[in-house]
Amino acid sequence: DTGVSQNPRHKITKRGQNVTFRCDPISEHNRLYWYRQTLGQGPEFLTYFQNEAQLEKSRLLSDRFSAERPKGSFSTLEIQRTEQGDSAMYLCASSSAEYEQYFGPGTRLTVT
Amino acid sequence: GNSVTQMEGPVTLSEEAFLTINCTYTATGYPSLFWYVQYPGEGLQLLLKATKADDKGSNKGFEATYRKETTSFHLEKGSVQVSDSAVYFCALSAYNFNKFYFGSGTKLNVKP
Repeated sequence: DTGVSQNPRHKITKRGQNVTFRCDPISEHNRLYWYRQTLGQGPEFLTYFQNEAQLEKSRLLSDRFSAERPKGSFSTLEIQRTEQGDSAMYLCASSSAEYEQYFGPGTRLTVT
Repeated sequence: GNSVTQMEGPVTLSEEAFLTINCTYTATGYPSLFWYVQYPGEGLQLLLKATKADDKGSNKGFEATYRKETTSFHLEKGSVQVSDSAVYFCALSAYNFNKFYFGSGTKLNVKP
C-alpha cells in the first residue's frame, strides 16, 4: 500500500489553458474525493465518487470543472479555460467503507 | 446548511502546556465530527473522530467530545510537545460520508 498519489505535484499554466490532474487512490478504496485548498483555508469539497459513480458535486463547482473515475480506479480532474482564481492546491482523498479519508500530497496549480 | 468554525491561529504554547482548540459546527441531521492534522510538509491525516452525540474521540493524547447541545467539538491535550506543532482542522460529514466540510484550520506552535 503506497498511499494516495497525485500527479503532477506542481502545474503552472497560462490563463485560458486546460489542465488535467490525476489521482491514484489506495487500491480497493471505493470512495474518492476531490478538494480545493487555498492558502490559510481548509479543504473545500469539490466532488465525490463511489466506485465509478459521481454521487456528489459541489454547487460551487463551475461548469469548467469536470471529474471522472473510469472503472472505479484512478480519477482525473479537468479544469477548462483556467482563470487566476483557480490557483490553489487540489487534494484527492480516498477511503474504504469506513469514514477515514487518506489524503494525497496534492497538486499545486498556478495560473499566470 | 453545513459549516464548521474554528478558532483562528496561530496558537503559541510552551511545551507541556494545556491545549484547547475550539470548534463549533452547523449541520442538518446528525453529522459525524473529525479532527485532522497536517504536519509541516505532509498531507492531512485523521487525528480522531466521533460519530454520535456524547462520543469522545481520542488519539495520541488528544481528545474531543461531541457536544450536540452546544454544537461543539473542541480539541484538547493535557501536555503538548514540540512535535505537536502542526495545523489542525475540524471537519464534519453529513450525508453518509458523501461530503465533508472543513474549518479553516488552526496553526499550533509549541516552543521548547
